[in-house]
Amino acid sequence: GNSVTQMEGPVTLSEEAFLTINCTYTATGYPSLFWYVQYPGEGLQLLLKATKADDKGSNKGFEATYRKETTSFHLEKGSVQVSDSAVYFCALSQGGSEKLVFGKGMKLTVNP
Amino acid sequence: EAGVAQSPRYKIIEKRQSVAFWCNPISGHATLYWYQQILGQGPKLLIQFQNNGVVDDSQLPKDRFSAERLKGVDSTLKIQPAKLEDSAVYLCASSSWDGGTDTQYFGPGTRLTVL
Repeated sequence: GNSVTQMEGPVTLSEEAFLTINCTYTATGYPSLFWYVQYPGEGLQLLLKATKADDKGSNKGFEATYRKETTSFHLEKGSVQVSDSAVYFCALSQGGSEKLVFGKGMKLTVNP
Repeated sequence: EAGVAQSPRYKIIEKRQSVAFWCNPISGHATLYWYQQILGQGPKLLIQFQNNGVVDDSQLPKDRFSAERLKGVDSTLKIQPAKLEDSAVYLCASSSWDGGTDTQYFGPGTRLTVL
């Protein structure tokens, strides 16, 4: 079945550091790929998505590129801020109205 | 635009008791999902509705969990009787057709503690 494997934390960075969170997937066909973020005390929010190979999703300074050859969708940000402290989830879905399959999530703490 | 609403936000019950959670999706969203998020794990789909019909309930423990969406809008998820391992956050999400991919929007969740 479909699955998502992502870096497990927790990870602590200093403000302005570079961030990479690795995510790889197993799926048949061509899934859509997502990064969701969960800030403390809040619900899951869509951060970015990509629906086909070589697409780049971007939002709030975060980027991720859909790499079919390596079945990866790594999340990057050039300079993290304290406000980026949250739990980050990689996820996939296939087809329309299909369920999301999530990775286990990675907790990021950014210190000033 | 109002987001996905859920209530209650927190619930503490003893094992073998029953509990119900309510969800109101974003207006106009035909698809509604219930996920279970156990501490330290990613959310796992329990049930998916399209309007008031069930699309996927393959991971719903049907001996104790039930869900309904009678008028194709609000939904209720019930657990009866609850077990210790049901302690989790229960997330409701609804989706809009986004030009090729459904984007799911999540509510704040209900945190259930079973003692």
